Amino acid sequence: GNSVTQMEGPVTLSEEAFLTINCTYTATGYPSLFWYVQYPGEGLQLLLKATKADDKGSNKGFEATYRKETTSFHLEKGSVQVSDSAVYFCALSSGGSYIPTFGRGTSLIVHP
Amino acid sequence: EPEVTQTPSHQVTQMGQEVILRCVPISNHLYFYWYRQILGQKVEFLVSFYNNEISEKSEIFDDQFSVERPDGSNFTLKIRSTKLEDSAMYFCASSEIAQGKGELFFGEGSRLTVL
Repeated sequence: GNSVTQMEGPVTLSEEAFLTINCTYTATGYPSLFWYVQYPGEGLQLLLKATKADDKGSNKGFEATYRKETTSFHLEKGSVQVSDSAVYFCALSSGGSYIPTFGRGTSLIVHP
Repeated sequence: EPEVTQTPSHQVTQMGQEVILRCVPISNHLYFYWYRQILGQKVEFLVSFYNNEISEKSEIFDDQFSVERPDGSNFTLKIRSTKLEDSAMYFCASSEIAQGKGELFFGEGSRLTVL
């Protein structure tokens, strides 16, 4: 079945540091891949997505590249801000079902 | 900006009681979902709902659970005879399309604590 594995958090960084949050997946067929973000007190919201191999999703300075050969979709940002502090969820959908499968989420804490 | 709203934000209940969690999806969305996240674990799919019926459900969604769209705007999750292990954050979501590439819009979640 489909599954998503994310690195455990929390990830604690200083402002302007480089961020990587690892995500690997197992899926049938050719999944679409997503990163969702949950800011404190809010619902999960889509951050970026990629729908085929080698696609790069990007938004708000975040990027993730769909790597079929390593079944990965790692989230990166070159310079994090305090306002990026949130929980980040990797997700996929595939196999004819439109129901996304989520990881457990990775908490990011950015200090000034 | 349209958003999904959930009530209550936090509910504490005694084991064995029934709980109803409420959601108001975005008005022009056609597909509705419930997920849950037990503390420290993955966000797990429970059920999806389309055209006034369940379209897909997970193994978690057994006879203890039911969903309803009673009035065209609310989308409810009922949990009968709650157990300690039902304690979790429950997320409602809605989407305009359901083709695996569309975006789900989530509410803030309802935290259920079963004592």
